Amino acid sequence: DAGVIQSPRHEVTEMGQEVTLRCKPISGHDYLFWYRQTMMRGLELLIYFNNNVPIDDSGMPEDRFSAKMPNASFSTLKIQPSEPRDSAVYFCASSLAGDRGRGGYTFGSGTRLTVV
Amino acid sequence: AQTVTQSQPEMSVQEAETVTLSCTYDTSENNYYLFWYKQPPSRQMILVIRQEAYKQQNATENRFSVNFQKAAKSFSLKISDSQLGDTAMYFCAFGGYQAGTALIFGKGTTLSVSS
Repeated sequence: DAGVIQSPRHEVTEMGQEVTLRCKPISGHDYLFWYRQTMMRGLELLIYFNNNVPIDDSGMPEDRFSAKMPNASFSTLKIQPSEPRDSAVYFCASSLAGDRGRGGYTFGSGTRLTVV
Repeated sequence: AQTVTQSQPEMSVQEAETVTLSCTYDTSENNYYLFWYKQPPSRQMILVIRQEAYKQQNATENRFSVNFQKAAKSFSLKISDSQLGDTAMYFCAFGGYQAGTALIFGKGTTLSVSS
């Protein structure tokens, strides 16, 4: 398995533009998580899905952020419109419910978003 | 809600020395999991070690070991014989026992190992 695949690896965009981050989880994993990493706040949970259904989106900072998981092999995180304070590294991770105790999260390599 | 606190934003150590990274957490649960993740400059998140709260024995993985103090809600990571490759950011994380919860991470500790 190629692991969790995120794209793009880097994204630079202008303030006000729409940004879409993509994630392909490991085949067979039933949980998918989106985290945001900043120096000030560390790794924050934004939203997670179980079997493609959003379970907890309380970490989504505001209405400009939205996430979807149309099928088991694909998820998107969209920011519209983007703002400079959204600049961060966004991680996607997936896991099997039964592997949680073994720390069975597999992380993607992250997308570094810069909004200028 | 659970919280994880790492009180050391940065640490530095010489090669071959031992270093301990601190982590405290807050929870009302009795059964849970604790983890340390390593994030090198490549950005990849790598699981270093895990501890199950219902096990009293401290986990060990080669040069990495933990000091788990359940009553104090403390979970420190000890790195022995530090190597240059240990230079990274280290995150402490809490995982609830129930399957429907996500890992909660601390803000991280940046460790620099020098020769």
